[in-house]
Amino acid sequence: DGGITQSPKYLFRKEGQNVTLSCEQNLNHDAMYWYRQDPGQGLRLIYYSQIVNDFQKGDIAEGYSVSREKKESFPLTVTSAQKNPTAFYLCASSMRAGGLDTQYFGPGTRLTVL
Amino acid sequence: EDQVTQSPEALRLQEGESSSLNCSYTVSGLRGLFWYRQDPGKGPEFLFTLYSAGEEKEKERLKATLTKKESFLHITAPKPEDSATYLCAVQFKAAGNKLTFGGGTRVLVKP
Repeated sequence: DGGITQSPKYLFRKEGQNVTLSCEQNLNHDAMYWYRQDPGQGLRLIYYSQIVNDFQKGDIAEGYSVSREKKESFPLTVTSAQKNPTAFYLCASSMRAGGLDTQYFGPGTRLTVL
Repeated sequence: EDQVTQSPEALRLQEGESSSLNCSYTVSGLRGLFWYRQDPGKGPEFLFTLYSAGEEKEKERLKATLTKKESFLHITAPKPEDSATYLCAVQFKAAGNKLTFGGGTRVLVKP
């Protein structure tokens, strides 16, 4: 069953802690993305990766870090430097890097800072 | 700056009452426009891709159209299960394969 999985579904973090959100895909897609969604706002791009061991900052990368050691995995770390991390985080992937290509989304992780 | 604007922000419909959602964008070289459906607490589900002005695509009660400045998502005779937030996203040629999303339209269809 092909798709994108994200874990955990819900995550609670204390102020000052780093947390890592998992994203895995078995679609054999080259490109992967992380977005943040806040109530009433559109999705905003945090980081994206077009190939293993390479990634680029999106529009709101400050306070976040990523790695792409395997094609199927693109974890996102929310660091203590992120001032307002409470949000819904969405991972996506697309078949090719570059050109017009449909992005498919995972189910999301809701992060709450206590 | 490339921008994508969706209207209205929210739409309440009676079952069977057809309506349209709008997605407008500032043009700096459109590569493609995407429509997604998002249910509460879930990830967006892909609906359509439109590439060029004049193009139309249909799926069940949904029909998407594209002009040079905007796209419409027409919902014909909606049912309560069509209730969701509909997201529009644009890929601009200058932005590689990055997407710019609109704020979404929340649709509620009452029986």
